[in-house]
Amino acid sequence: QLVLTQSPSASASLGASVKLTCTLSSGHSSYAIAWHQQQPAKGPRYLMKLNSDGSHSKGDGIPDRFSGSSSGTERYLTISGLQSEDEADYYCQTWGTAIVVFGGGTKLTVL
Amino acid sequence: EVQLVESGGGLVQPGGSLRLSCAASGFTFSTYDMHWVRQVTGKGLEWVSTIGYTGDTYYPDSVKGRFTISRENARNSLYLQMNSLRAGDTAVYYCARAYGGTYFDFWGQGTLVTVSS
Repeated sequence: QLVLTQSPSASASLGASVKLTCTLSSGHSSYAIAWHQQQPAKGPRYLMKLNSDGSHSKGDGIPDRFSGSSSGTERYLTISGLQSEDEADYYCQTWGTAIVVFGGGTKLTVL
Repeated sequence: EVQLVESGGGLVQPGGSLRLSCAASGFTFSTYDMHWVRQVTGKGLEWVSTIGYTGDTYYPDSVKGRFTISRENARNSLYLQMNSLRAGDTAVYYCARAYGGTYFDFWGQGTLVTVSS
């Protein structure tokens, strides 16, 4: 069964870096995912598609501070030089035949 | 500029029906798979339905048999017909575009559906 697992929360200081993790279920290490950001009271916003080899393609206007990487069934979103507007919920998403799956989301607090 | 604008949300009684619309602009609507996703207040994102550019449709078990996704390419519009609504269907409903039938690359701002007596 295709499942994505995310930690419910993370925090880091203004100007620091943070690495968020999305874990694919066993047997799905070849799957690509997408990362989405949802700021408070807003709709989701696409950040990037992240492949199993770590290559990624970002959405229009996504700053260079956002990057992605992969290792096995883990998919990472790294945000460097944290800004206050980065405080948001971050969701990973993947897809299969006739199915779309979201992770539970990680709430990022910028201290 | 790609834009997705949802409408049609509102208050409906349990067991009732509602039809959501999503007006698309800024891209060739007929060549993209489209989706509906919902979010209960304070909770995560839940996939609700998919319609491929070919017209194929897919649903999770939670809405299968109650919800119907459709599209009208001539009007650049996506729809979600929701029947037999339950309190658990109360959520903000988003439409989203899928790039190459895979990841969602654009989202609307959502429309709120409240199911309550």
